[in-house]
Amino acid sequence: ETGVTQSPTHLIKTRGQQVTLRCSSQSGHNTVSWYQQALGQGPQFIFQYYREEENGRGNFPPRFSGLQFPNYSSELNVNALELDDSALYLCASSTDLGNEKLFFGSGTQLSVL
Amino acid sequence: SQQGEEDPQALSIQEGENATMNCSYKTSINNLQWYRQNSGRGLVHLILIRSNEREKHSGRLRVTLDTSKKSSSLLITASRAADTASYFCATDENSNSGYELNFGKGTSLLVTP
Repeated sequence: ETGVTQSPTHLIKTRGQQVTLRCSSQSGHNTVSWYQQALGQGPQFIFQYYREEENGRGNFPPRFSGLQFPNYSSELNVNALELDDSALYLCASSTDLGNEKLFFGSGTQLSVL
Repeated sequence: SQQGEEDPQALSIQEGENATMNCSYKTSINNLQWYRQNSGRGLVHLILIRSNEREKHSGRLRVTLDTSKKSSSLLITASRAADTASYFCATDENSNSGYELNFGKGTSLLVTP
């Protein structure tokens, strides 16, 4: 039990739609990172938020955006969904800016049809 | 980008045997971590080894790091059926601002009774 919860567990969307995924971090964890994991692959870094500001971004287009709120919750928004966006989306929280131990949620499985 | 690469891709052993997984990476790192993932859900942090360390133990886990060869190994001793999972190495590169972990594609371990 990592103390990080994600919702929804599963989601089915149609190409072109928009989706919002939610994450609730451990209390006291100021940093949240989002990762995309395609089937059979390792997680790929999307971006990180620290104290409600984007702190770093991976190789993902601007239609992937995020928000972090003061209550340790956060969102990942994806606009104009494409078929290749089908994946498991994981959020991970950590203390301050450290990457030395990430606490992952169970993920949201997104299917784009 | 995925820097770590695990070997083998899949490993099948019997309970009680030892399991060894290897990870190779490409650039200099601050630390290397191993995570476990059950059935495509959230990842669980297992162990971290810093670039100036050569070996680390945690319970039945033993991790080694050879920075000259840019490689690491994870040994699970006296394996149990509950160890069945995918195992990923993740590197924190020196060139990062500290916000990104680079995961490999993972080793799928099956432990049969």
